[in-house]
Amino acid sequence: GENVEQHPSTLSVQEGDSAVIKCTYSDSASNYFPWYKQELGKRPQLIIDIRSNVGEKKDQRIAVTLNKTAKHFSLHITETQPEDSAVYFCAASEGTYKYIFGTGTRLKVLA
Amino acid sequence: KAGVTQTPRYLIKTRGQQVTLSCSPISGHRSVSWYQQTPGQGLQFLFEYFSETQRNKGNFPGRFSGRQFSNSRSEMNVSTLELGDSALYLCASSLLRESDEQYFGPGTRLTVT
Repeated sequence: GENVEQHPSTLSVQEGDSAVIKCTYSDSASNYFPWYKQELGKRPQLIIDIRSNVGEKKDQRIAVTLNKTAKHFSLHITETQPEDSAVYFCAASEGTYKYIFGTGTRLKVLA
Repeated sequence: KAGVTQTPRYLIKTRGQQVTLSCSPISGHRSVSWYQQTPGQGLQFLFEYFSETQRNKGNFPGRFSGRQFSNSRSEMNVSTLELGDSALYLCASSLLRESDEQYFGPGTRLTVT
């Protein structure tokens, strides 16, 4: 079945540096790729998403890239701030109302 | 607009018991999905409902079941609880039929002793 691998599991960066989280999916029919941020004790919240007909999408300091051929998609956070510290989850969906999530990346931004 | 709500927020049960969790989606949202979140496994898809119909199901045993009512509110039930069922159970609602942004509820923390 569909599988999503996410790396790294933990990531520490200095404030102001960039952070990159990578995901690989297995089902070539996947066409929707959201990223969620979950702060400690809170619910996951969508931060950015991308559909398979787009290669890149940006929203201020956050960007997502998609390589359909390699079945990779990545989250890029620039100019990281302490409030970016959280667990980030990628997910993939092939349109059948089923989202498969990666195992999460714990990002720590060091002041 | 009110967000997704889940009740109860915390629950402690004993092995062998059963439990029912409730989720009320955002007004107008007709799709409700359920996930189990554990520290080692991340978010695992349980099932999704739209207009009272289960459209997809994850790889969980038959002890896990759900339903959706005509007002889009959804319940999930776990029978014969096991220690490994201890987790945060999240529901998420979305507006459209196709893959679309999901809005998560705060979750129900279930502890099985």
